[in-house]
Amino acid sequence: DVVMTQSPLSLPVTLGQPASISCRSSQGLVNSAGNTLLDWFHQRPGQSPRRLIYEVSKRDSGVPDRFSGSGSGTDFTLKINGVEAEDVGVYYCMQRTRWPHAFGQGTKLEIK
Amino acid sequence: EEQVVESGGGLVQPGGSLRLSCAASGFTIHNFWMSWVRQAPGEGLEWVAHINPGGSEKYYVDSVRGRFTISGDNAKNSLYLEMNSLRAEDTAMYYCIGWSSGSIWGQGTLVTVSS
Repeated sequence: DVVMTQSPLSLPVTLGQPASISCRSSQGLVNSAGNTLLDWFHQRPGQSPRRLIYEVSKRDSGVPDRFSGSGSGTDFTLKINGVEAEDVGVYYCMQRTRWPHAFGQGTKLEIK
Repeated sequence: EEQVVESGGGLVQPGGSLRLSCAASGFTIHNFWMSWVRQAPGEGLEWVAHINPGGSEKYYVDSVRGRFTISGDNAKNSLYLEMNSLRAEDTAMYYCIGWSSGSIWGQGTLVTVSS
């Protein structure tokens, strides 16, 4: 099974400052069609998760452009360019290239 | 607007059964992959089951294979998760997800397995 490892697990950030979360997969995530099925989700306290990024770097509809995704192979990164108060919560990376699909452990972002 | 609404959660004794439902609107489940994901209290997200458009392919995480069954009803545009032989470790919020134009999550339905 593919294992997804995120770091850091806790991320205190000052408002307006950038933030970066790393996600590493135990196997490459390119599928037979040449696509890399690595997504990022955000879960606010008490809410359902919401997808922010799909296929490494494509933003979902309505997602602010301060969120960006990058990476290839087994190493991926979510960056927030200027954290806002509404960005608090837990961020998860997820691979859907191979079954079982798998989430990372989650990174809890809080405001300093 | 695309949305899914889960129902059917509740308190059940170990060894018991529950059937979760997920009513979709704004899109047709027959045309898209659909999934169940769960989250134990205070924990992260875990895939449970996944079904392809049309329902010919079903995938389960090892811990539920043989006990849980994912299915869809096109006439009702609904997804189901039949859960048997429930264990304490199945206690979680269960989310239905529709992979249509985006990633459509419901609000979840809570399953508690306890005597």
